Amino acid sequence: ELKVEQNPLFLSMQEGKNYTIYCNYSTTSDRLYWYRQDPGKSLESLFVLLSNGAVKQEGRLMASLDTKARLSTLHITAAVHDLSATYFCAVENNDMRFGAGTRLTVKP
Amino acid sequence: DVKVTQSSRYLVKRTGEKVFLECVQDMDHENMFWYRQDPGLGLRLIYFSYDVKMKEKGDIPEGYSVSREKKERFSLILESASTNQTSMYLCASSRPHQTARPEAFFGQGTRLTVV
Repeated sequence: ELKVEQNPLFLSMQEGKNYTIYCNYSTTSDRLYWYRQDPGKSLESLFVLLSNGAVKQEGRLMASLDTKARLSTLHITAAVHDLSATYFCAVENNDMRFGAGTRLTVKP
Repeated sequence: DVKVTQSSRYLVKRTGEKVFLECVQDMDHENMFWYRQDPGLGLRLIYFSYDVKMKEKGDIPEGYSVSREKKERFSLILESASTNQTSMYLCASSRPHQTARPEAFFGQGTRLTVV
């Protein structure tokens, strides 16, 4: 059974700092997603990664995928308050399984 | 440009009622999923479907059933609602892995309260 582990679960950052969220998964997968969720809202798709070495960037967020290590990272550069949210990774084969989420708080 | 629509944002039902949660997508996606989200437990997969009339159990199917009579619609059914089914329910759809343009989208969620 596919398992997805995400860490850290909670992350408090100062504005302007960098940090990385990690997502490990247990079996080979077709694709990996990163989502953002704001309180009381649904999930917003950020990135989808398909192949080994894939890297995608949008603003201050950059996601990468290492299929051999079964690891994806979401790197935050020069954090700003607007990035405060919960971030999830998800791995899809036939079904789609989620990590537990990382609650990010960016403080001024 | 709405892609995945859930029939209700908020729903209050009584214990023992039969409850239908509807999800419709307009992207011609083959795969559809139902999750529930609870504080501290993350998103847990209830059921998924990869084709019309096909369904697969997820991690927590007990107390639920699903229906996929048409490609665009995936319904979650609570046969006899109980208070422990109070939760946020999220529907998602995605393209299968063979396609070159992978994507997956979520509906806005249905917050169900069973009293």
